[in-house]
Amino acid sequence: DAKTTQPTSMDCAEGRAANLPCNHSTISGNEYVYWYRQIHSQGPQYIIHGLKNNETNEMASLIITEDRKSSTLILPHATLRDTAVYYCIVSPRDSNYQLIWGAGTKLIIKP
Amino acid sequence: GAGVSQSPSNKVTEKGKDVELRCDPISGHTALYWYRQSLGQGLEFLIYFQGNSAPDKSGLPSDRFSAERTGGSVSTLTIQRTQQEDSAVYLCASSLRTGGPLNTEAFFGQGTRLTVV
Repeated sequence: DAKTTQPTSMDCAEGRAANLPCNHSTISGNEYVYWYRQIHSQGPQYIIHGLKNNETNEMASLIITEDRKSSTLILPHATLRDTAVYYCIVSPRDSNYQLIWGAGTKLIIKP
Repeated sequence: GAGVSQSPSNKVTEKGKDVELRCDPISGHTALYWYRQSLGQGLEFLIYFQGNSAPDKSGLPSDRFSAERTGGSVSTLTIQRTQQEDSAVYLCASSLRTGGPLNTEAFFGQGTRLTVV
């Protein structure tokens, strides 16, 4: 079973911030939180990852709670091209190829 | 090439036939991973290559599935005597360093959609 739980689907208006939650209550101390997305008919695309501090890059921000049991991916100004399935995964930094991916959150950006 | 290339992009085959799926990783990437994704599901690990050897093939679902990698580059996933439950998208990823595809240097191909009829 996947070690994370995410809502099945979410809607967001174009131009607004999209906030995608993820629960990972059984996360271990050496496990990172990774976010990937998969646009229809394409392979997964890396977005961001973090251990315990909040992270930001050109695509998104990652907010991790102090107890590390949940996190939120923030797309600050969502566009129609951000419509995709977003996966939250927890894994050690190394040896992470065997991890189990859940079904993710289907994010639909509406004009 | 610029990215991970998989071929064919789509394959329809009759039950009982053998199929070969090909993955061309990014040049210089020593690690290569195969996953499959059923409709509406997350990724399921199949096998991992480091160079030409496969340190972990524990995800292969049955002995009908095999994979090889030659010259530290191209990899072929072979499914013998295909069954309808083999229908899925088969994804390949490659990365510069070992350990797993979850890092910024890893890239996925667009996958091969296999349909067994």
